[in-house]
Amino acid sequence: DADVTQTPRNRITKTGKRIMLECSQTKGHDRMYWYRQDPGLGLRLIYYSFDVKDINKGEISDGYSVSRQAQAKFSLSLESAIPNQTALYFCATSDLTTQYFGPGTRLTVL
Amino acid sequence: GENVEQHPSTLSVQEGDSAVIKCTYSDSASNYFPWYKQELGKRPQLIIDIRSNVGEKKDQRIAVTLNKTAKHFSLHITETQPEDSAVYFCAASSTISNFGNEKLTFGTGTRLTIIP
Repeated sequence: DADVTQTPRNRITKTGKRIMLECSQTKGHDRMYWYRQDPGLGLRLIYYSFDVKDINKGEISDGYSVSRQAQAKFSLSLESAIPNQTALYFCATSDLTTQYFGPGTRLTVL
Repeated sequence: GENVEQHPSTLSVQEGDSAVIKCTYSDSASNYFPWYKQELGKRPQLIIDIRSNVGEKKDQRIAVTLNKTAKHFSLHITETQPEDSAVYFCAASSTISNFGNEKLTFGTGTRLTIIP
């Protein structure tokens, strides 16, 4: 399922560092999302974008920012990483209903 | 905003038995309810969904039921098999203008283990 790709797949960083997670898709979808997955907390929406000029905060946007560089690319940045941002991060795209997830990025902040 | 609660958080069933996972939602405007399956180390994938104008939907061994009055919906898996072991997420969504149901609120997940 290479339609939605994420880089890097794993990343270990230190507190205070800036880090960017990148997402690319070849599905031609306008709608893209960033989620965070933590054990017992499910998938929580960080930011979403319905087209290149549209950016919206999700339920847990504090400490994160995003950039929609093109229809196919949506990046998530942590300006100053902190340990409680250690999690599995998923990018997703959607048509009008179904969401298609990327493989995930496992981020560890020491 | 929407709030989705999911129970149980873990579930173990003998192979061949049935499994039921339940979710409740808070926003009466929600009209689309998908279920996603996440196998170990994999990405979540849609397995079945239901819209609010339908009470039940089946796809082979899986089915979803919806009770709009009570604001709850359930996933039913019959004749469970080892490959059904995974984490299952329910979600709810309301239509955004003319765009569709793109913004989902997920439940916290149920880890289903099938015991051989």
